[in-house]
Amino acid sequence: AQSVAQPEDQVNVAEGNPLTVKCTYSVSGNPYLFWYVQYPNRGLQFLLKYITGDNLVKGSYGFEAEFNKSQTSFHLKKPSALVSDSALYFCAVRGGGYQKVTFGTGTKLQVIP
Amino acid sequence: GAGVSQSPRYKVAKRGQDVALRCDPISGHVSLFWYQQALGQGPEFLTYFQNEAQLDKSGLPSDRFFAERPEGSVSTLKIQRTQQEDSAVYLCASSLIGTKDSPLHFGNGTRLTVT
Repeated sequence: AQSVAQPEDQVNVAEGNPLTVKCTYSVSGNPYLFWYVQYPNRGLQFLLKYITGDNLVKGSYGFEAEFNKSQTSFHLKKPSALVSDSALYFCAVRGGGYQKVTFGTGTKLQVIP
Repeated sequence: GAGVSQSPRYKVAKRGQDVALRCDPISGHVSLFWYQQALGQGPEFLTYFQNEAQLDKSGLPSDRFFAERPEGSVSTLKIQRTQQEDSAVYLCASSLIGTKDSPLHFGNGTRLTVT
């Protein structure tokens, strides 16, 4: 089985400050890790993915994520938050013998002007 | 360009009614997924197709749920004898190829309310 944990229901950050949204995962074999963002009444939009290689991956809208194999973590980061970044963020994993993508419960990011 | 299209956008059903939810994936996308998202929760996997073959239906919660993709493009998720616990947003996603690194492209979902 594979699983994802997002320990924070909500993260508040001031505009212009760096942000981190945490994610840990459990999967057999090599993990394929993803971050998605969801705006109200919309489907999920792909932000970035980790497959192999560099532990720091860059994605859309200035977001990046750091893969840490020993801690089985894949935290989402951005150096300077924008009010427009306020949304629901989901971490996801795919691995082992599974084709399905397993999502975390989501973290609501609130960027305060 | 056209994304994943789902219809209807909203559906209200009385308990016991049957419903059918439609998904038009991005043209040429091989893989198609259905997810159920309850309020305030992450998407929960329901089923997966590669072309017309349903390769994984382990997430379907009961035999009242049925999905098909007969020609390998449009997919329909059918729920028979709806119950209140079926109320959720049903998300469809597609990806171009069936490899594990392919990101999913989601539709805006169908919000089902069972009264």
